[in-house]
Amino acid sequence: GDSVTQTEGQVALSEEDFLTIHCNYSASGYPTLFWYVQYPGEGPQLLFRASRDKEKGSSRGFEATYDKGTTSFHLRKASVQESDSAVYYCALSDGGGTGANTGKLTFGHGTILRVHP
Amino acid sequence: EAGVTQSPRYAVLQEGQAVSFWCDPISGHDTLYWYQQPRDQGPQLLVYFRDEAVIDNSQLPSDRFSAVRPKGTNSTLKIQSAKQGDTATYLCASSFWATNTEVFFGKGTRLTVV
Repeated sequence: GDSVTQTEGQVALSEEDFLTIHCNYSASGYPTLFWYVQYPGEGPQLLFRASRDKEKGSSRGFEATYDKGTTSFHLRKASVQESDSAVYYCALSDGGGTGANTGKLTFGHGTILRVHP
Repeated sequence: EAGVTQSPRYAVLQEGQAVSFWCDPISGHDTLYWYQQPRDQGPQLLVYFRDEAVIDNSQLPSDRFSAVRPKGTNSTLKIQSAKQGDTATYLCASSFWATNTEVFFGKGTRLTVV
């Protein structure tokens, strides 16, 4: 079945550091890829998504580029802030390459980001 | 616009007890999902509905879990005879299928089975 692997379980940074969270996926079709953020006591919130190879998603200074060749969708941010501290999830949805989203999301295990002032 | 509403927010049970979770999706959303999120893991889909019809319940432990959405609006997820392994947060989400919009999550119900 489909799967998502996030390499980092926890990341600790100082404000203004550069962030990279690695995400690799395995899917039989042509999935839509997502990054979600979850704050304590809340449900996951969509950060952004990408549906086609080489498409870049971005929001709030975070970005990731869909790479079908390496089956990756790594999250990056040039300068993190303390308010970015949260759990970040990479996810995929079977979409057939059309951008369709069934809502059947397969999530990675998540990466806890702690940003120190 | 109100988001996805879930109740209760917390539940603590002894093993063997039953519990029901309730979800009110965003108004007009025809698709509703139930996810299970064990501690320190990502959410995992249990079941989803389009209107009142179950589209996929292949990951729902059918011997003890059941989910209904009788009028295509609110939904109830029930666990009969809870086990310690059911300890998790149960998230409800909704979306509007036809326009391929974002899936919105509720705050979840945190269940502890002791």
